Amino acid sequence: DTAVSQTPKYLVTQMGNDKSIKCEQNLGHDTMYWYKQDSKKFLKIMFSYNNKELIINETVPNRFSPKSPDKAHLNLHINSLELGDSAVYFCASSHATGKGQETQYFGPGTRLLVL
Amino acid sequence: KQEVTQIPAALSVPEGENLVLNCSFTDSAIYNLQWFRQDPGKGLTSLLLIQSSQREQTSGRLNASLDKSSGRSTLYIAASQPGDSATYLCAVSGPDYKLSFGAGTTVTVRA
Repeated sequence: DTAVSQTPKYLVTQMGNDKSIKCEQNLGHDTMYWYKQDSKKFLKIMFSYNNKELIINETVPNRFSPKSPDKAHLNLHINSLELGDSAVYFCASSHATGKGQETQYFGPGTRLLVL
Repeated sequence: KQEVTQIPAALSVPEGENLVLNCSFTDSAIYNLQWFRQDPGKGLTSLLLIQSSQREQTSGRLNASLDKSSGRSTLYIAASQPGDSATYLCAVSGPDYKLSFGAGTTVTVRA
């Protein structure tokens, strides 16, 4: 019954490594998002895909690359991890009516710690 | 750029007291406003969504109001319970699908 799922839940890795976080939703939504929540608990949008097309691309380092193989999946790949990448990464999904009026449903988060 | 502010940052009340959480935003050109709940180490749960044309939404003990022109929303939680202890986040959505979040209000309800 999981609506939005993310794997892994926890990720501890060394600086310089490359890692991926996966997200899947079974709600039939056409839009998916990646958010970053830093140590001060601020949530900020990173990327959004609508029907596999990138529609939001905030100012994030190009070491971060989202990939959407289909509408139900949005993965986040991070190259050359840095200490400052340590945060909680949330995936979310929604229907997009063109007016942003739909509730976003969030996954449980992936806690990334870069050592 | 939309900025969302939540006051207070933390709130501690005895069980049974009503909670009042405030949210303000700088750009009134929003499509909707959402209130979320976040438990420690967990994801976000949507509580209420208010469309820009609405003034309030209610769900059980929760009531959220929206005054778009003044850039304010208030979340009321009646007869608080220890299970209401969590961080409450306010987020506004504009025409670009983006949700802009406040930093949250951390609520502790004492039994």
